[in-house]
Amino acid sequence: GAGVSQSPSNKVTEKGKDVELRCDPISGHTALYWYRQSLGQGLEFLIYFQGNSAPDKSGLPSDRFSAERTGGSVSTLTIQRTQQEDSAVYLCASSLSLSGGTGPQYFGPGTRLLVL
Amino acid sequence: QKEVEQNSGPLSVPEGAIASLNCTYSDRGSQSFFWYRQYSGKSPELIMFIYSNGDKEDGRFTAQLNKASQYVSLLIRDSQPSDSATYLCAVNIENIGEYGNKLVFGAGTILRVKS
Repeated sequence: GAGVSQSPSNKVTEKGKDVELRCDPISGHTALYWYRQSLGQGLEFLIYFQGNSAPDKSGLPSDRFSAERTGGSVSTLTIQRTQQEDSAVYLCASSLSLSGGTGPQYFGPGTRLLVL
Repeated sequence: QKEVEQNSGPLSVPEGAIASLNCTYSDRGSQSFFWYRQYSGKSPELIMFIYSNGDKEDGRFTAQLNKASQYVSLLIRDSQPSDSATYLCAVNIENIGEYGNKLVFGAGTILRVKS
């Protein structure tokens, strides 16, 4: 079956521009997560969606970052006024909503963002 | 203070040997533990998950969990060059509501299997 998909796979933008990153989770997965991975670094949690609501936005680095999810499926991560330090791979993951938060998370291929 | 610790490696093993990857975590309340494999330039791929103390086997992979000692390990039997990758340990640090799962990832251990 289809896994998590993300688009674009690569994005090069100029400092100060806005970018939108898209994630399409596995069908039936109501939990959706965004992470960021800088070169040679570990994964950094950004935000979690359960359905269309975001109970935890604690990982968003600044108010330039926002995310939404509509229809309980596709999610968009928006970065406004991009800065060079935003350059990273942005990963989306989804999971089944199992009680106790035990559903394994499955990752998409990521979007590689480069801010010049 | 890091919440999930892994030896960065690289861990080098000969082909056919057993590779042992270890991970320690700080939160005694953690209930879910995951191992991911990440090839260079690729996204993490789920290999194993374990919730209960003891061993869980899946093919050449065995996950071991010891909650009292707060460690989880991954054994790879009959290691192959294709197993060469970074292995990420992920631990559920905090439940988000009833269904959410806030994972904290270790920095990963680089495994190199030499043919």
